[in-house]
Amino acid sequence: DTEVTQTPKHLVMGMTNKKSLKCEQHMGHRAMYWYKQKAKKPPELMFVYSYEKLSINESVPSRFSPECPNSSLLNLHLHALQPEDSALYLCASSLGPYNEQFFGPGTRLTVL
Amino acid sequence: ELKVEQNPLFLSMQEGKNYTIYCNYSTTSDRLYWYRQDPGKSLESLFVLLSNGAVKQEGRLMASLDTKARLSTLHITAAVHDLSATYFCAVASLNTNAGKSTFGDGTTLTVKP
Repeated sequence: DTEVTQTPKHLVMGMTNKKSLKCEQHMGHRAMYWYKQKAKKPPELMFVYSYEKLSINESVPSRFSPECPNSSLLNLHLHALQPEDSALYLCASSLGPYNEQFFGPGTRLTVL
Repeated sequence: ELKVEQNPLFLSMQEGKNYTIYCNYSTTSDRLYWYRQDPGKSLESLFVLLSNGAVKQEGRLMASLDTKARLSTLHITAAVHDLSATYFCAVASLNTNAGKSTFGDGTTLTVKP
């Protein structure tokens, strides 16, 4: 298996909802990433997990909560989001934290 | 703070022509990446450049790295419509937080017949 998968592909949620984004890879990669991308902008790094430990949090608001249950799985828990949080959320993985990153197809999130 | 500057930000070219996209960065880097993104899609890794003078080629695209000038180029040869996309360079350094790549703003390439 040589890809990163993300579910769901699309998500619409209200500001009071709680939802989760899921990312999975079976390439034996030990670093996993969450990015947020707005239209016509570069991806913005949110979180990095290295060997299942959170190594980077780019001052992301607490309404976004990452979780890495095991080396293959990465979740992003969402709660009380704002409309400005609407974006494409990309997951990526790499062999190690300094290696080439492989991106999943993304989850397009709309917050109403 | 590592800054990455790409230019041009928008590029419209005719099929069959050649052009170069530039990626400048502000501090010492250990590795440089080029990605492609089609509209509404995710990022696809194109090249990883690790050392001064590195050159990699795939089809009509060739990437190079000059660490002394802190410059990478992505050269497009005989452009075809299928190359229309946004191209990002990203720079990482062993001196910064592990796993953090800083992205340029992207170059949106449109190839016209």
